[in-house]
Amino acid sequence: EIVLTQSPDFQSVTPKEKVTITCRASQSIGSSLHWYQQKPDQSPKLLIKYASQSISGVPSRFSGSGSGTDFTLTINSLEAEDAAAYYCHQSSSLPTFGQGTKVEIK
Amino acid sequence: EVQLVESGGGLVQPGGSLRLSCAASGFTFSSYAMSWVRQAPGKGLEWVSAISGSGGSTYYADSVKGRFTISRDNSKNTLYLQMNSLRAEDTAVYYCAKDEGVCTGGVCYWSYFDYWGQGTLVTVSS
Repeated sequence: EIVLTQSPDFQSVTPKEKVTITCRASQSIGSSLHWYQQKPDQSPKLLIKYASQSISGVPSRFSGSGSGTDFTLTINSLEAEDAAAYYCHQSSSLPTFGQGTKVEIK
Repeated sequence: EVQLVESGGGLVQPGGSLRLSCAASGFTFSSYAMSWVRQAPGKGLEWVSAISGSGGSTYYADSVKGRFTISRDNSKNTLYLQMNSLRAEDTAVYYCAKDEGVCTGGVCYWSYFDYWGQGTLVTVSS
């Protein structure tokens, strides 16, 4: 099983600040890494596919980078509506998720 | 418009059984692998099980292997999860999710989950 470790677990950020969340895989997964946003009492929503590919309808302030074992989700100029939990997910083998990062707005 | 609608959740005693359903619409159901993903209260996402588009290949997390069975009826565009020998630690919201990957020749090449249902709550308690 491929283990994904996200950091930090929690981040409190002021609006317009830049947010960086990292996801480290226990073995190389190429670019088979995807990011989701989950707001309270909602289903997860796909934000980024294959490490850096954008998704239609997702604001351009969300971007992803990385390959191999180290990946990053960046939120440029955080908005209040971005308060949520963020999860990485690998599809290189049977799916696994990171433990999640909760982003709170100060 | 793609829609995934889960049903079948509820309160069940430890050791009991429950069958979840996920009704799909808006896409060619038989062409896509499907997964069940769960989320315990206040916790993160955990992949539970997946099935190929044809239904011929099934996969399980170690935590549910031997107790849960995934299946699908492509004529009804419906995904199922039969859960037996339920434990308190199975308490969670269960989501069905559409996988953009491909299964061919008995091998599945997984991808991202592009659509999720709203989830159904399973509570295992006496």
